[in-house]
Amino acid sequence: DAKTTQPTSMDCAEGRAANLPCNHSTISGNEYVYWYRQIHSQGPQYIIHGLKNNETNEMASLIITEDRKSSTLILPHATLRDTAVYYCIVRVAPTDSWGKFQFGAGTQVVVTP
Amino acid sequence: KAGVTQTPRYLIKTRGQQVTLSCSPISGHRSVSWYQQTPGQGLQFLFEYFSETQRNKGNFPGRFSGRQFSNSRSEMNVSTLELGDSALYLCASRREIGAEKLFFGSGTQLSVL
Repeated sequence: DAKTTQPTSMDCAEGRAANLPCNHSTISGNEYVYWYRQIHSQGPQYIIHGLKNNETNEMASLIITEDRKSSTLILPHATLRDTAVYYCIVRVAPTDSWGKFQFGAGTQVVVTP
Repeated sequence: KAGVTQTPRYLIKTRGQQVTLSCSPISGHRSVSWYQQTPGQGLQFLFEYFSETQRNKGNFPGRFSGRQFSNSRSEMNVSTLELGDSALYLCASRREIGAEKLFFGSGTQLSVL
């Protein structure tokens, strides 16, 4: 699975959009981009994933560049409860695979009032 | 629907002892994975079980073992505990091996003295 690079930390003002970048320059054509987050003292929580098209759900939007070498997770209106470590993961996801998720160091996001 | 349940929540052991951690997956989920999380190494994959068989294994010594029961519940065992085994142990379940979303429990915080 391709490796990812994320900033170590970032701050965001409450109510503003938070844009979290992730570089995955060695991504292969069959590898998906996943985002998880981990709030303190809890297990990681799934946010969103995508292959090449932009995706949106009730939690966030995922923007993947045309060459797929980078992506951005957007939290449209950050709240204090969005303070967490955000992990960008790239992995192959065929339906019959039992591969493993590799988590990097992630980005510590702090939302301030 | 109940989430992934891990017991106990906290555990204190001494070096040389052994420990067994328990994980009950979400109802209907047949795959269970185990992860170790430490401040220095981050989140590291231990192993994944599906239909009572280990399907994937991370890079951990043989002191770390696991099993899965017919009802999909899983246990993880660590023998001859070392100080470096102090960590948060997380269990995650998913419906099938190829399912995209992992659902994590809150973990067992193990302290080895």
